[in-house]
Amino acid sequence: SQKIEQNSEALNIQEGKTATLTCNYTNYSPAYLQWYRQDPGRGPVFLLLIRENEKEKRKERLKVTFDTTLKQSLFHITASQPADSATYLCALGGSWGKLQFGAGTQVVVTP
Amino acid sequence: EAGVAQSPRYKIIEKRQSVAFWCNPISGHATLYWYQQILGQGPKLLIQFQNNGVVDDSQLPKDRFSAERLKGVDSTLKIQPAKLEDSAVYLCASSPKAGGSTGELFFGEGSRLTVL
Repeated sequence: SQKIEQNSEALNIQEGKTATLTCNYTNYSPAYLQWYRQDPGRGPVFLLLIRENEKEKRKERLKVTFDTTLKQSLFHITASQPADSATYLCALGGSWGKLQFGAGTQVVVTP
Repeated sequence: EAGVAQSPRYKIIEKRQSVAFWCNPISGHATLYWYQQILGQGPKLLIQFQNNGVVDDSQLPKDRFSAERLKGVDSTLKIQPAKLEDSAVYLCASSPKAGGSTGELFFGEGSRLTVL
């Protein structure tokens, strides 16, 4: 069956360190992958998109990698800040037309 | 630029009652989505509109859920009759691009439904 797996355990990290989140998938062949941020009681906000032919994308302190052989995307937040505390969702897109979201991983950055 | 507007933000109803949610997408966005997000899960697509036509409603429980997008702008999502398992946040999103493209989605704040 098709699965998108993100760490269900919260990631607790100290301010200034790099947070690394994982998105693994099975039985999908995504053409692209998106990452969203969701704060409590709010809708998701788009952060980054990476296509299947791209290895890495960066945006300010964010970096995303996409390994179609490992069927995995890594999402990095460098020099993390308490304001980065939120839940981060990965979403897969492809020929099937609609985005499929993972359950998300909560990140807690402590000063 | 105004974002995606949704109302009401919160709704509590008894099971078997009906409820309706309203969404106003970003001006000019052709594609509109309704997602259901159950606590602890990722958003699940219920229905996707391209202008005022339905592109995908494969995961919409059509025996109780209905949605329409009149004149290709605003949309309403209705649940009748509601069940306990419908307790969730209903997220509306819009995109300027056609369904199936790589475009980002712009989400509203969501409507939180509690069914007692």
